[in-house]
Amino acid sequence: GAGVSQSPRYKVAKRGQDVALRCDPISGHVSLFWYQQALGQGPEFLTYFQNEAQLDKSGLPSDRFFAERPEGSVSTLKIQRTQQEDSAVYLCASSNGTNYNEQFFGPGTRLTVL
Amino acid sequence: GDSVTQMEGPVTLSEEAFLTINCTYTATGYPSLFWYVQYPGEGLQLLLKATKADDKGSNKGFEATYRKETTSFHLEKGSVQVSDSAVYFCALVRHKFYFGSGTKLNVKP
Repeated sequence: GAGVSQSPRYKVAKRGQDVALRCDPISGHVSLFWYQQALGQGPEFLTYFQNEAQLDKSGLPSDRFFAERPEGSVSTLKIQRTQQEDSAVYLCASSNGTNYNEQFFGPGTRLTVL
Repeated sequence: GDSVTQMEGPVTLSEEAFLTINCTYTATGYPSLFWYVQYPGEGLQLLLKATKADDKGSNKGFEATYRKETTSFHLEKGSVQVSDSAVYFCALVRHKFYFGSGTKLNVKP
């Protein structure tokens, strides 16, 4: 596709539910990143993939957060037993090359946990 | 640890006014520095970048100079337009991206 796409764009979950957020990176981009952006804040790094390998997951806030990219293209961020503090916009970005290069961001998924 | 601090907003200017959004950083070594822009309802877009000291990034009339001596990367534009209204994020890369908290710019006609 022309850019990074994410789905759903909006998700409302009840506290305790599991959610899955999808990211389709730009075709051919080897690097994929997930960020969490709280209201009024800048994006905060969650995790990084190079192809299917998850090279850095130091930003995942708890073991309820899990990300995968099994075939090196589409990625899914899963949050188990959602809590109210998980409410945020989740951004996906992809890059052609090392993680130092320009990252192209998707529109984000706004998650609201009630 | 590595971090970015940028001026709080919102910043409200009249069309054709001069814009400065301050950004300072803390990092060991020599990070690359970026400005990203987020227009209402859209994703983050790279505005400009600089990869080494004294480099000047520029795009769409915006400029920023990588100043190692003051650890700064201030964003400037000589004459803003209503269409520049957006949230601007300063960021650095050293092993991973670190973003500032964003500065909202409102430009009035």
